[in-house]
Order: sequence, then structure tokens, then C-alpha cells
Amino acid sequence: ETGVTQTPRHLVMGMTNKKSLKCEQHLGHNAMYWYKQSAKKPLELMFVYSLEERVENNSVPSRFSPECPNSSHLFLHLHTLQPEDSALYLCASSQGASGKLFFGSGTQLSVL
Amino acid sequence: DAKTTQPTSMDCAEGRAANLPCNHSTISGNEYVYWYRQIHSQGPQYIIHGLKNNETNEMASLIITEDRKSSTLILPHATLRDTAVYYCIVRVAIQGAQKLVFGQGTRLTINP
Repeated sequence: ETGVTQTPRHLVMGMTNKKSLKCEQHLGHNAMYWYKQSAKKPLELMFVYSLEERVENNSVPSRFSPECPNSSHLFLHLHTLQPEDSALYLCASSQGASGKLFFGSGTQLSVL
Repeated sequence: DAKTTQPTSMDCAEGRAANLPCNHSTISGNEYVYWYRQIHSQGPQYIIHGLKNNETNEMASLIITEDRKSSTLILPHATLRDTAVYYCIVRVAIQGAQKLVFGQGTRLTINP
């Protein structure tokens, strides 16, 4: 148990669906992250939030829309996804200047 | 961002020390080296970090060369549960958060 909880653990969606991934951290951290891990590829940093403000957006397509309503919650809203977006989506949190990230178990997403 | 180079895979016998090398020849003077590992289908787990001195914690030891261009992660008595992908990362701080860019890592297999 890392203190970072992601739901759902598994998600199957069609290309026309809209769904959201949720991440919640119980560690009192002030920075949160979304990473994507496709099969046989390294983790790719998608978004970084610090104090609820987005500070990094790594050229992610607009069909992925992050939301950080407070320092404990992070969402990734998905719409009109493509099959190549199928991957493990990982959320993490950290306390500001610390490079020690705590990761959730991820959401395994399949786009049909 | 400083780039790291690691061997693709390594094997180690159970009970022996596992030594995982990492090259980071373009590292800047104020950049830290972080090590994480990822066990299959789970989120990455923080192991250890350092700037220029050697570090030790309950999981591992980190040896950084004097010129800081390379480092070695040491798992002193490897167990089967240490089988994982190990990532060496040079940390970049951004606006109150971190930009940890994961490479391919080293796939470490501990053999009985």
C-alpha cells in the first residue's frame, strides 16, 4: 500500500466512449503526476501538477484531459480514444522538491 | 535533461549481491541520481537516491563515482522478490514538482 489509490483497476472502452480515471493520495503531498506505460515501452510522463496547477504537459493529445480539483485528487478524462491508447496509466504523487514519487497500482486501459 | 544508459538485462543468483550499473556522463552538478524498480504490472517503487556521496538504506546501497558520471546500485543479498526492472534516473526539478523521465531500465532476474 503506497498511499496512492487508482480506480478503476481495469477499464475497457470503445472509441466513442467517454470515461475518467481517478487518483487519490492520502500522503499530504502537493504534486501529482500521470504517466502512461504501453506494452514493452518505458513510462512516458504525461502531466504534472504542483499545488493544483499544471506545470508540465508533454505534448499529450487533447483526447486526454487532466483535472486536479485539489491536492489530493487527480483525474484523467478520456474521450474519443484510439486503440493505440491502450496502456497502463499510472498516477503518482510527491512532496514538492522531493524526487521520491509514490505510485499507484495503475489502471489497465483497453480501447476497442 | 541528462540521459542515463543501463544494460538491458542482468542475471544474479539468489543470495548473492546484485550490482546494477548506470552511466550518466552528462549529469549536471546539482542533479540527483534516483533509482526505482518496477515489479511486473505494478507501479514503480522508489529505492534510493544520491548526489555525490555514497548512500545506504534498508533496501540497497548507491555508489556514485567521484566524477559523478556513473553509479552502481547494490542489492546486497538478492532474493527472488527482487526480480524487476530497475530504473536509473537523473532528477529534474520543475516549479515545485519533479520531472522523472524513465528510460528502458535493466531487467534483473534473480535465479534460485
